Amino acid sequence: GQQVMQIPQYQHVQEGEDFTTYCNSSTTLSNIQWYKQRPGGHPVFLIQLVKSGEVKKQKRLTFQFGEAKKNSSLHITATQTTDVGTYFCAGIGNSGNQFYFGTGTSLTVIP
Amino acid sequence: DAGVTQSPTHLIKTRGQQVTLRCSPKSGHDTVSWYQQALGQGPQFIFQYYEEEERQRGNFPDRFSGHQFPNYSSELNVNALLLGDSALYLCASSIAPGETQYFGPGTRLLVL
Repeated sequence: GQQVMQIPQYQHVQEGEDFTTYCNSSTTLSNIQWYKQRPGGHPVFLIQLVKSGEVKKQKRLTFQFGEAKKNSSLHITATQTTDVGTYFCAGIGNSGNQFYFGTGTSLTVIP
Repeated sequence: DAGVTQSPTHLIKTRGQQVTLRCSPKSGHDTVSWYQQALGQGPQFIFQYYEEEERQRGNFPDRFSGHQFPNYSSELNVNALLLGDSALYLCASSIAPGETQYFGPGTRLLVL
């Protein structure tokens, strides 16, 4: 079956440092979405990428979709304590409308 | 405009019992998906309802069943509960299958 992996599983950074999480799918994706889940909370939609090679920015967050549409990344510049949480990617394969969530990257920001 | 709502927020059951979880989608959304999220894991897709029918199903046994009502709200039923069914159950709604999903706060189920 389709698998979506994320690395790293955990990341501790000093406040102000940058952070990147990588998402890799075993199959080509029609689109990919990114979610943030705060401790004790539920996933909150951040962004959707559809086109091969697409790059989108939201303030300090930069999202990329790979040329082969099998991988994606989320980069946070100058992390803040409010960035703490687990970041999930979720992709849809080329058949069906089922979202496959990645394993998540848990970010801890040390003040 | 209310977002996705779920009830109950917490639930404790014993092995072998049955449970029903409820979800009301965001206004204007007609597609509801259910996910199981075990502690420290990513959400796992259970199934998706659209136009009152199950459209997609993940790798979950038949003990997991659902329903969607004409007002687009949905229920998730789990029979013969196992300890391993303890998890956060998330409902997500969207304007159509495959579109952006908005998650509810979830129901935390503990099976003893």
